Parts: sequence; C-alpha cells; structure tokens
Amino acid sequence: EADIYQTPRYLVIGTGKKITLECSQTMGHDKMYWYQQDPGMELHLIHYSYGVNSTEKGDLSSESTVSRIRTEHFPLTLESARPSHTSQYLCASTRTSGTNEQFFGPGTRLTVL
Amino acid sequence: QKEVEQNSGPLSVPEGAIASLNCTYSDRVSQSFFWYRQYSGKSPELIMSIYSNGDKEDGRFTAQLNKASQYVSLLIRDSQPSDSATYLCAVSDYKLSFGAGTTVTVRA
Repeated sequence: EADIYQTPRYLVIGTGKKITLECSQTMGHDKMYWYQQDPGMELHLIHYSYGVNSTEKGDLSSESTVSRIRTEHFPLTLESARPSHTSQYLCASTRTSGTNEQFFGPGTRLTVL
Repeated sequence: QKEVEQNSGPLSVPEGAIASLNCTYSDRVSQSFFWYRQYSGKSPELIMSIYSNGDKEDGRFTAQLNKASQYVSLLIRDSQPSDSATYLCAVSDYKLSFGAGTTVTVRA
C-alpha cells in the first residue's frame, strides 16, 4: 500500500502570502508528481521529478515552483498566492522501473481569499 | 485530439446492474493501462491495472484491453451505491496520461 503524505490538508490564506505545500513518501519512489484539480474537473499535471535535483514543468502552466533535494520530499511553493490559485493540489509518486502505477496522496485543498 | 478519451457522463445505473465505462487512447506505443476511482473531494485511488490484451477480473471489477483498437474498458458488476464516483482512465508509455473521467451514480 502506498504511503504518501500531504500537509496541510486544508489551507485558507490571504492574497500575496507565500505558501509551501508539503509532500512526502516513504516508499523510496524516484518519480514524484504534482497535479492541480478544480472541483469536478480534470487532473492537470503541473510539475514532476524523476529524482533528486530533477524537476520539470508539466502540461499546465503554473506559477508555482518545486524542489527535490531529498528522494522522499517534493514540496511545492507559491511565492505570492492569488485567488486564481484556489484549487486542490494532489501529489503522486511511482516506482522508477515497472508499470508507472501512480499512487496519490490525500491532497491539499487551497483557498486564497 | 486528446490523448485519452472517456465516454461522457454522467452514467446513472440502478443498484445491482452493470456499469460499463469506455476509454480510447491515441498513442499506439502505450504499454500500461489503469483505472482510478475518485470520490468527490478525495484523491484518485488505483483500482485496476491491465497490461495485456483480454480481460482482467478483480472482484466486481473487470478491465478489458484491446490494443489493436486502442480501447480499454471497465465493467462494474452488481453496482452498489458505494461505487458512485468518478472513474479515471489512465494510459502510460513513458508518462501517464489521464482522461477527463466519467461520473457514475448508482441509484438505490
């Protein structure tokens, strides 16, 4: 079973604040991903990493940034939050070899006022 | 054209019936195929994986894959109200691509 954690689960914050959404996994997976999903809408890949010091932008342009200093940790940062950033952010990870099964964390629901 | 297309919903089925979900994909080199279930407000949960042509059964779920037709489906037998969710088809070659999802409602 996948062990992938996200904190906080819910965050309400004012415009202009800097925020960091945390994602950690204990499975030693090399590949990690961030998705953005509005209620009732599609998943959009915004960032991914294939290992330490590797980060790439996804299919959907995002003002957020990510870092990958440790295998188990893949935080996402918004330097200046805006109401347009209100969404659910989902972190996922997968094994390097094999079938690309992705396991998702519980998500962070972000509301920017 | 989107990489992964799912039949538009919502799909409403009576309790005990079979729910049939369809998915087509555009990339012929895709090797791995997945179905995720997502309850409202929750994250996607992997429920089925299929890698070779044919059927794969797991409990009340059956996945069917036809690579020649670039088609993958999910059947939910004896549908229960707890099966009410959005089902996401995902297809992988070197990266995983998700469909938009089909929302299923099981009527009691």
